Amino acid sequence: DTGVSQDPRHKITKRGQNVTFRCDPISEHNRLYWYRQTLGQGPEFLTYFQNEAQLEKSRLLSDRFSAERPKGSFSTLEIQRTEQGDSAMYLCASSGELADNEQFFGPGTRLTVL
Amino acid sequence: GQQLNQSPQSMFIQEGEDVSMNCTSSSIFNTWLWYKQEPGEGPVLLIALYKAGELTSNGRLTAQFGITRKDSFLNISASIPSDVGIYFCAGEARGGGSNYKLTFGKGTLLTVNP
Repeated sequence: DTGVSQDPRHKITKRGQNVTFRCDPISEHNRLYWYRQTLGQGPEFLTYFQNEAQLEKSRLLSDRFSAERPKGSFSTLEIQRTEQGDSAMYLCASSGELADNEQFFGPGTRLTVL
Repeated sequence: GQQLNQSPQSMFIQEGEDVSMNCTSSSIFNTWLWYKQEPGEGPVLLIALYKAGELTSNGRLTAQFGITRKDSFLNISASIPSDVGIYFCAGEARGGGSNYKLTFGKGTLLTVNP
């Protein structure tokens, strides 16, 4: 399977704990994006990388959130001191040079904060 | 910020019927994309539109990029049960700090009765 993969698919945590999610983009894609989706809503942009550089961050990304893409391949999204309002589906997408506005999404990580 | 108004919110149709849904925006987009999402999965790209007035088909799906660049519609012909899901429009506006960020509508939930 050469699509975008995310791990884990589901995460249940207690309020105040830290969580980390991983995204592996399509191998030849240089851009990687993180979105958050809550029930009944469309995905909302969080941040994106071009290679290893983080080029844009949404105001939704509070200082408890940090994303990295150290080698320009996989990316991690960490949430520190989780809150119940962080419960959502976290989606990763990637796009390539030739059609850079066609973003292909992974299956998402469903986070539940108790 | 940019917002997309997607309608209808939900549709209940009989197998074999045609479906139409649309998206409007208060601001201009350079690219319109249509995605389908099934429960517990990430959005799957259906059609990408790049030019005002462009009409593009993908099997039984047809989408158009509005001439004003502020709207788009998606038609599904001869619906089948596997068309069930949530359909999202998404727009991308290059420039002004919005590069590569997709703005999504709230989705149209499609139910097809066999």
